[in-house]
Amino acid sequence: QSALTQPASVAGSPGQSITMSCTGTSSNVGGYNLVSWYQKHPGKAPKLMIYEVTKRPSGVSNRFSGSKSGNTASLTISGLQAEDEADYYCCSYAAGSTDVVFGGGTKLTVL
Amino acid sequence: EVQLVQSGAEIKKPGESLKISCKGSGYTFARYWIGWVRQMPGKGLEWMGMIYPGDSDTRYSPSFQGQVTISADKSISTAYLQWSSLKASGTAIYFCARPIVAAALGAFDIWGQGTMVTVSS
Repeated sequence: QSALTQPASVAGSPGQSITMSCTGTSSNVGGYNLVSWYQKHPGKAPKLMIYEVTKRPSGVSNRFSGSKSGNTASLTISGLQAEDEADYYCCSYAAGSTDVVFGGGTKLTVL
Repeated sequence: EVQLVQSGAEIKKPGESLKISCKGSGYTFARYWIGWVRQMPGKGLEWMGMIYPGDSDTRYSPSFQGQVTISADKSISTAYLQWSSLKASGTAIYFCARPIVAAALGAFDIWGQGTMVTVSS
């Protein structure tokens, strides 16, 4: 049972936009602007796509954007491309003994 | 180039000990937390814990407290993850990671390539 709740899967067609959610509590997502999103392809290391809720690391496409409302963070991918098909994990700083928590991951399928 | 390079794959038997490593280069190793993340076969990412090499401040996820030991030697820019007695459930890929900015806990932009650990009798 992950501390952050993500939908198991989302799907979209090339060119479309999709949004996936990440729900936590006031002790993690809702309490801090320290939500990150990772893209994970099989056999590869995770790649940081969004940090501090809305910031994009250098080199990450502006098709990826993040937001937060209350205890729920969201990742939006616009102009879906085949290469976006991957697992996506949200991550948050968490008060208390854990420091960092991950969501269970969302599998994105590009139809 | 900033990078983390992990030690190679390991095959161990239950009950054996193991220490894997993560060597940083291209930056001041002592000034950034190093986190460890587990991915079991077919499962998601799990936070294990982290260490600040500058003063060896170490924090563990409650799920891994007492199960593993995280350490670092800043003189050789290397962090370690070790087990004193492996269990079959330890079969997984283990990643080390560094945050994008020193204080950005949870925002890891530099990752090691992963170390595959197989525990089987």
